[in-house]
Amino acid sequence: DIVMTQSPDSLAVSLGERATINCKSSQSVLYSSNNKNYLAWYQQKPGQPPKLLIYWASTRESGVPDRFSGSGSGTDFTLTISTLQAEDVAVYYCQHYYTTPPAFGQGTKLEIK
Amino acid sequence: QVQLVQSGAEVKKPGASVKVSCKASGYTFTGYYMHWVRQAPGQGLEWMGWINPNSGGTNYAQKFQGRVTMTRDTSISTAYMELSRLRSDDTAVYYCARPQEWLVPLSWFDPWGQGTLVTVSS
Repeated sequence: DIVMTQSPDSLAVSLGERATINCKSSQSVLYSSNNKNYLAWYQQKPGQPPKLLIYWASTRESGVPDRFSGSGSGTDFTLTISTLQAEDVAVYYCQHYYTTPPAFGQGTKLEIK
Repeated sequence: QVQLVQSGAEVKKPGASVKVSCKASGYTFTGYYMHWVRQAPGQGLEWMGWINPNSGGTNYAQKFQGRVTMTRDTSISTAYMELSRLRSDDTAVYYCARPQEWLVPLSWFDPWGQGTLVTVSS
């Protein structure tokens, strides 16, 4: 099974500053036949289900603000929030969908400094 | 719009079973797999398995093999997840989640149901 590990577990960033969350998979989630990384990012606020932000590692879901971006390939991925807003306080999860079982990272809690 | 609406909160005793429903609307129910994911209080997301609503075929996480049963009723566009022999550490919010891609078991999940809190307590 592929294990997803996020870092850091928690992060405090000042409003307007950049936030960076890392995600590492125990094996590559890049499918060579289509050159796509089977990696998604979600945002979860208290009492709500996860909300899709990014899929294919870097494709932003419709309606997601462009301050959110995803990058990386193979086993190492990054979610970047370019200018942190108050409403971005949440827990963020990466997830691979390369093979069964799909798996999530343990989550990164993002707070305001 | 595409929507998944789950059944309400449940309180169960250890050893009992619980059955959570997930009613789909706004899309062709048999065209998309349905997954179940749970989240214990203050914890992360744990994948439980999927069902192919067209064939009824299932794939369960090894951890839940023998205790979980996923079914569906295509006439009412509803998927079900039943967990048996409940323990206190099964206390969690249970979500149904739909992959984005047609007839593909694995994909990113969107939408998600609103979640169903299952509390296991004596």
